[in-house]
Amino acid sequence: DAKTTQPTSMDCAEGRAANLPCNHSTISGNEYVYWYRQIHSQGPQYIIHGLKNNETNEMASLIITEDRKSSTLILPHATLRDTAVYYCIVTSYGGSQGNLIFGKGTKLSVKP
Amino acid sequence: NAGVTQTPKFRILKIGQSMTLQCTQDMNHNYMYWYRQDPGMGLKLIYYSVGAGITDKGEVPNGYNVSRSTTEDFPLRLELAAPSQTSVYFCASSYSRSSGANVLTFGAGSRLTVL
Repeated sequence: DAKTTQPTSMDCAEGRAANLPCNHSTISGNEYVYWYRQIHSQGPQYIIHGLKNNETNEMASLIITEDRKSSTLILPHATLRDTAVYYCIVTSYGGSQGNLIFGKGTKLSVKP
Repeated sequence: NAGVTQTPKFRILKIGQSMTLQCTQDMNHNYMYWYRQDPGMGLKLIYYSVGAGITDKGEVPNGYNVSRSTTEDFPLRLELAAPSQTSVYFCASSYSRSSGANVLTFGAGSRLTVL
């Protein structure tokens, strides 16, 4: 599975968009990009995933570059409750074998 | 629809004791997983199951055992507890979507301390 690189931490003002980058330069054609988040010791929560196209759901948008070597998770209007560790995960087979490598992620702090 | 339920939420064990962490899901997911998370670290896969009667080892299986007799339940057994097993344990379940993607739903976690 492709390795990912994320910044260790980021700050965002409440109400502003939070843009979380992820580099995955060794991604292969059958690998999905998944984003999960973990709010203070709770179980990780699925946010969004994509293969090639940009995706949007009720929580966030995922922008994947044309060469698929990087992506950005966008929280359009961050709230204090979005403070969490965000994990970018790239994996083949949809992760069905549990081969989700969570790493250390990006700690997002949303400030009033 | 309760999702993934783990019990107990907290447990303290003495070295050498054994215990079982319970995990139940009511979403009819075929895949189930056990992860552990040490302080300040990411999650590591212990065991997973692709269906009733089928289990396989993950990255850190030593000291643990699992079974999957039903679709709903996936208990994790700790034999001869050691301080190195002090961690937070997360159970998860998933199903493969028609797109091929596989989204995990996690439980709230079980915090285990071995003294």
